[in-house]
Amino acid sequence: DAGVIQSPRHEVTEMGQEVTLRCKPISGHNSLFWYRQTMMRGLELLIYFNNNVPIDDSGMPEDRFSAKMPNASFSTLKIQPSEPRDSAVYFCASTGGIQSGANVLTFGAGSRLTVL
Amino acid sequence: GQSLEQPSEVTAVEGAIVQINCTYQTSGFYGLSWYQQHDGGAPTFLSYNALDGLEETGRFSSFLSRSDSYGYLLLQELQMKDSASYFCAVSGGFKTIFGAGTRLFVKA
Repeated sequence: DAGVIQSPRHEVTEMGQEVTLRCKPISGHNSLFWYRQTMMRGLELLIYFNNNVPIDDSGMPEDRFSAKMPNASFSTLKIQPSEPRDSAVYFCASTGGIQSGANVLTFGAGSRLTVL
Repeated sequence: GQSLEQPSEVTAVEGAIVQINCTYQTSGFYGLSWYQQHDGGAPTFLSYNALDGLEETGRFSSFLSRSDSYGYLLLQELQMKDSASYFCAVSGGFKTIFGAGTRLFVKA
């Protein structure tokens, strides 16, 4: 398996522009998570899906952020309009649930976003 | 709500043993996990404890005390490649919340 695939790996954009980050989870995994990582705030859980349904979006910082999972193999995180404070590394992770008693998250390589 | 506390950084010498502690407050606790992240990389899973006691995986061991809401990661025979950030994380159902991370510096 190729693992969790994220794109783009790097994105530089100007304030006010729309940003779309993409994620393909591991085949067979039924839960998908979006995290944001910054030096100041660490790894923050933004939203997670189970069987393509959003379960908890309480971590989504503002209405400017939205996430979708139209099918089991694809998810997007959209920021519109983007602001400089959105600059961070955005990670997507997936899990097949409790395996051997552990909820093991497999992370993608991340999308580094810079908003100028 | 959920919160985790772990030291911000630890320094140790190659070949030594280091322990990284984690205390947590959470509702709906299922288990405590540990992840490793090298600079520029993604977090990778190391270990998981659902029950009290010690779990050993090679040079790494993890301990959990549910009554004390406390756990630790033990790294033995430290190698330079172990220099990384280590995160404890609590799972409640599918939801996993991460601590701020402990930066481990391994010196020669």
